[in-house]
This record gives sequence, C-alpha cells and structure tokens, in this order.
Amino acid sequence: QKEVEQDPGPLSVPEGAIVSLNCTYSNSAFQYFMWYRQYSRKGPELLMYTYSSGNKEDGRFTAQVDKSSKYISLFIRDSQPSDSATYLCAVRGAGNMLTFGGGTRLMVKP
Amino acid sequence: IAGITQAPTSQILAAGRRMTLRCTQDMRHNAMYWYRQDLGLGLRLIHYSNTAGTTGKGEVPDGYSVSRANTDDFPLTLASAVPSQTSVYFCASSSNEGYTFGSGTRLTVV
Repeated sequence: QKEVEQDPGPLSVPEGAIVSLNCTYSNSAFQYFMWYRQYSRKGPELLMYTYSSGNKEDGRFTAQVDKSSKYISLFIRDSQPSDSATYLCAVRGAGNMLTFGGGTRLMVKP
Repeated sequence: IAGITQAPTSQILAAGRRMTLRCTQDMRHNAMYWYRQDLGLGLRLIHYSNTAGTTGKGEVPDGYSVSRANTDDFPLTLASAVPSQTSVYFCASSSNEGYTFGSGTRLTVV
C-alpha cells in the first residue's frame, strides 16, 4: 500500500463548479499536509499548507484535514479554466521529507 | 528571481552515456532534493541533502549519485544511463513553509 493515495483522474468539470480533490494516507505520524499545483511542463508550486486537523481557507481554495480518518481534501469554489492543472497532495512527518500522492489531473471547461 | 534553476531543460541521451543534471538555488535553503516524475507513479525521491556536505538515499537511488559541495548547488549524475531512467527530473529545496521546485529536466534515454 502506498503511503499516500490519490485518484489520478482526470476530473473534468464545467467552469464555476465546486471541485473536490481528495487523498488518503496511511501513517498517523504525519503532521503537515500540503497541496501543490502543477501546470503542464512546469514544476509543482505550493498552494496550501496546513498543520494537524481542521480547515484552512485561501480565496477560492479550502484545505481540509481529518486526521481521525487520515483524509485530506482540497475544495475549489467557482472553478476557472486557469485552475486546470495537476494537483498533488503531500504529507510530512517529524522530519522535513515530503511524501507525495500521485496527483489528480483537473480540467475546467469554459 | 529567487528560486531553483535546472539545466538542461531537456536532453536526449544515448544509453550507456554519463549525464549530469544541474541544479542551483539562490534562497540559501539547507535542504535540497531530487525527484523523478513518471506517469502513474507521481514524484519519487531519488536523493536528498539536508545540508552542504551531506547526502542521503531516497526511494529510488539506484543508478544515480549526487554531491553537495556547497549550499547552492546539488547536481545529479547518471553514471551509465539506461532507458528506464527516461523521466522528468525535478530539483527542490525546502524551508519551513514547504518545498520550492525547479521547472524540471525532461530526459529521454534511447
């Protein structure tokens, strides 16, 4: 079993839709949870960063962590064509090493 | 512009040849990483360095070597390239806020 599981998609939605992206992880020692966005032929860039359980909101993006079920979510409201990218979840334990999910490809159609 | 610079951006390499992928950062981050990204497998850690003068093995280190002579540079060397090393390679550095990635090197071994 991989440490971090993520549905690869692709996920196709119309512009304006609410998008839900999800990951599960296996190690309860993970404490830091991140979402990266990767445009085609570019490196991943940090989108959201949360510590422990709870929600964090940044504009149209909300990151949610449920440590009891080992479940990480990213919600995108009012999705735009410019949100079309691959979204990678990542988890981090006590050290600085990140473990990434495989990424979900999102396509937002005008 | 602060960040990670990788070179070359792409390369076609004959099997058996030696190749060094270059990575330079200007953020004075202590920790640096090399990942490869393959379709369906996500980002996999090859080697890492927590500080200048030290290196460690990641998930898929075989066939690769790294050095960290100073804080800014973290080259990745393929001693004798094989077709299974065809991939996109990303260098990253980290601070407490997360990882910063380069734009990647697209390597094809034929």
